[in-house]
Parts: sequence; C-alpha cells; structure tokens
Amino acid sequence: EAQVTQNPRYLITVTGKKLTVTCSQNMNHEYMSWYRQDPGLGLRQIYYSMNVEVTDKGDVPEGYKVSRKEKRNFPLILESPSPNQTSLYFCASSLRRTSGMNTEAFFGQGTRLTVV
Amino acid sequence: AQKITQTQPGMFVQEKEAVTLDCTYDTSDPSYGLFWYKQPSSGEMIFLIYQGSYDQQNATEGRYSLNFQKARKSANLVISASQLGDSAMYFCAMSQQNAGANSKLTFGKGITLSVRP
Repeated sequence: EAQVTQNPRYLITVTGKKLTVTCSQNMNHEYMSWYRQDPGLGLRQIYYSMNVEVTDKGDVPEGYKVSRKEKRNFPLILESPSPNQTSLYFCASSLRRTSGMNTEAFFGQGTRLTVV
Repeated sequence: AQKITQTQPGMFVQEKEAVTLDCTYDTSDPSYGLFWYKQPSSGEMIFLIYQGSYDQQNATEGRYSLNFQKARKSANLVISASQLGDSAMYFCAMSQQNAGANSKLTFGKGITLSVRP
C-alpha cells in the first residue's frame, strides 16, 4: 500500500529537549515536505526537499532542521523546542516529473506535538 | 503569489444527495495543479482528487469530481451520493508546476461538511 508514515502520532515534551519526528514514504517520490497546521493559520510549509541531499526552507523554517540522506526518509528535527512549536505536523510526498508536474501529493497521518 | 479562497460556512447535506464545495484560486503561473483533501476529525489529510491547469477534462475519482472552470478560476469539488463518512473538513489547495519550482501546496481555510442521516 502506498503511504507516508510519520512517527510518533502524539508527543508531549518539555521546552529545550531535542526531538525528531520521522517520515518515510514507499512511493519513490522525489519531493518531500513538512507542514504545520495551526488554528486560523491553516497549513504552512516548514521545509522541503527536491531530492536526496537537496533541501530548502519553506515559509516558517525557524526552529526546525531537516535532512534527506535517503530518498524515502525526511525527518524533522527540533533542536530546542519551544511552546510556540506546539502544533499538528504533517509530512507529505509528491511524484514530481521532470516537467515539474506534480500530480500526487500524499500526507502522513500527522503528529500532534505539545511543548510545555 | 498563489491564493486559495474557500468562503462557504459549514455545509450540510442529506445522506445520498450530492453536494458542491466551492473553491476559487488566484495565481499568475500558467502551469499549476489543484488538489482537494479531506480531513476527518481524526486529523489525517486524505488526498481526494487532482486537476492540472492544462487538463482539458474535469477530473473524476469515484464519487468525487472536480468542476474546473479556468476562466472563472474556480475548482469546485462535487461529492455525489453523500455518505455519513463524508462528514469532515475539506481543503482546496494548489501548487506551481514548473520544473525547478517548489511544489509547495497553498491551502484554503477549509470547509466543514456534515452529512445528515
């Protein structure tokens, strides 16, 4: 089954304690991305990756890091989480052809993060 | 910049009837893609349907169809034969489709659909 898998689904942590949210896709997609969803603000892109070892900032990258060492994995790292990073996080992957056409965009199950 | 507008308040539909969820968009890019997602109360984002800006025909996926009117810049989702399980938040989104561009999805604020038995 084609899917994007995020872990954990729920996480409560304390300010300053480093954490990693994992994301893995089994569709051989080049493009992967992280979003956060906040009430009243909708979904906003944090970071994205066009391919292995190619990553770039999205709209709200502050306080986050990513890496793309393998095509299937795209972890999100919070080096020193703060309460304003409490949010619902989604990883997404897309089939991206050489023309730039992006016709599939699948999301993981989401990670509800609370930073106290 | 790209913008998606979803202005309908909460929508209600009777089970087995059809419902249309409105979406208008704005972009200066000639090549773009339009997407609809369903977010049930459990929180996951479920991909429903895709329409490319150069596609001549409206996209269909089972009970979902996308009424694409390029000149009006609208991409309404039509759900036929509504089911109780269709009750959820629905998001319209778009992305650039240019080689080398960030395929970021720009989302609307969503529409809540409630299906009545």
